[in-house]
Amino acid sequence: GENVEQHPSTLSVQEGDSAVIKCTYSDSASNYFPWYKQELGKGPQLIIDIRSNVGEKKDQRIAVTLNKTAKHFSLHITETQPEDSAVYFCAASLYTGGFKTIFGAGTRLFVKA
Amino acid sequence: NAGVTQTPKFQVLKTGQSMTLQCAQDMNHNSMYWYRQDPGMGLRLIYYSASEGTTDKGEVPNGYNVSRLNKREFSLRLESAAPSQTSVYFCASSELGDRGYTFGSGTRLTVV
Repeated sequence: GENVEQHPSTLSVQEGDSAVIKCTYSDSASNYFPWYKQELGKGPQLIIDIRSNVGEKKDQRIAVTLNKTAKHFSLHITETQPEDSAVYFCAASLYTGGFKTIFGAGTRLFVKA
Repeated sequence: NAGVTQTPKFQVLKTGQSMTLQCAQDMNHNSMYWYRQDPGMGLRLIYYSASEGTTDKGEVPNGYNVSRLNKREFSLRLESAAPSQTSVYFCASSELGDRGYTFGSGTRLTVV
């Protein structure tokens, strides 16, 4: 089945710096790659997603890139702010009679003021 | 507010007890999911329902059962709780399987 690996598990950056989180997936049939942000005590919230027919997508300070050949995708956050501090999850979705989404283990991002 | 509602928010069970976690969404979504979240392991899929009337196993279905009661509601049942089922449980829904999910706020379950 699908497996998603996420790195790093913890990331600490200075306010204003950029943060990059990387994921790899195993099943080449995966075609949808969402990213979620989870704040303490809350459920994950979708922040950006990308489909397999697109290489890059940007939304203000966040961007996601996808390399289907290498089965890699990454989240880039520029000009980080303290409110970006949270746990970020990548995920890969594929169809197996119904769609299943498999999540990475998460990256805890700390943005120091 | 539109979204996914989970009840209860907190629960403590004794080993062997049973309980049902409730989930309801008001966004007319077709697909619903149950995940468990454990430290360092991310979110693992327990069961999902691609559409009303269907349910399928995810990665970690053992010890759980589900019911898609109608399009809005998807419940998760623990028949005989075990300490290994101590976790935070999230329900989610999506319009279609390959769209982003809307998550509930979670149920923190402790089995002693």
